[in-house]
Amino acid sequence: SYVLTQPPSVSVAPGQTARITCGGNNIGSKSVHWYQQKPGQAPVLVVYDDSDRPSGIPERFSGSNSGNTATLTISRVEAGDEADYYCQVWDSSSDHPNVFGTGTKVTVL
Amino acid sequence: EVQLVESGGGLVQPGRSLRLSCAASGFTFDDYAMHWVRQAPGKGLEWVSGISWNSGSIGYADSVKGRFTISRDNAKNSLYLQMNSLRAEDTALYYCAKEYRSGYYGSGPFDYWGQGTLVTVSS
Repeated sequence: SYVLTQPPSVSVAPGQTARITCGGNNIGSKSVHWYQQKPGQAPVLVVYDDSDRPSGIPERFSGSNSGNTATLTISRVEAGDEADYYCQVWDSSSDHPNVFGTGTKVTVL
Repeated sequence: EVQLVESGGGLVQPGRSLRLSCAASGFTFDDYAMHWVRQAPGKGLEWVSGISWNSGSIGYADSVKGRFTISRDNAKNSLYLQMNSLRAEDTALYYCAKEYRSGYYGSGPFDYWGQGTLVTVSS
């Protein structure tokens, strides 16, 4: 099955830039989506199709995808960005095609 | 306003069954694929199952295949998950999620999620 690997944690100071990676075999050929999940809450979609933002998501959230790595970038990090972040792809070649990454805890220092 | 409200969770013994429901409102339910995603306590997200708008395409994670059955009733704007032969490792918060694009199954992403219903499998 397709595996998506994320770093367990990323720490960033307020106002700085956080980059969260999502590694997968030839992930650049797939569409990657990103979710933010705060404690006790349901996930929220923050980036879809590699780099598009749903309405209401700040421009500070951006995404890229190439080769074997997709990246979610959070610019000008705020305290409210502290959360778990998950990447997701649909692997049409698999019998269980919907895959989530392992998750990354973003801590704002 | 889109709303997804899950119900049916609870404490159940290993080997028993449970049926989860998800009541949808605020959008044209029969235009969209729907999914179940679970999250074990302190763990990450795991896709469980998905169903296309017309029930023509259905998928399951290996971990539940043969034990869980997804279904929908478009007349009732409802999604279901029948869970049989439950195991301790099925203990999780189960979310209902709506696929973003109408008429598609499986492209992702999931733009709306419910608040989840907790399933605890224990003797």
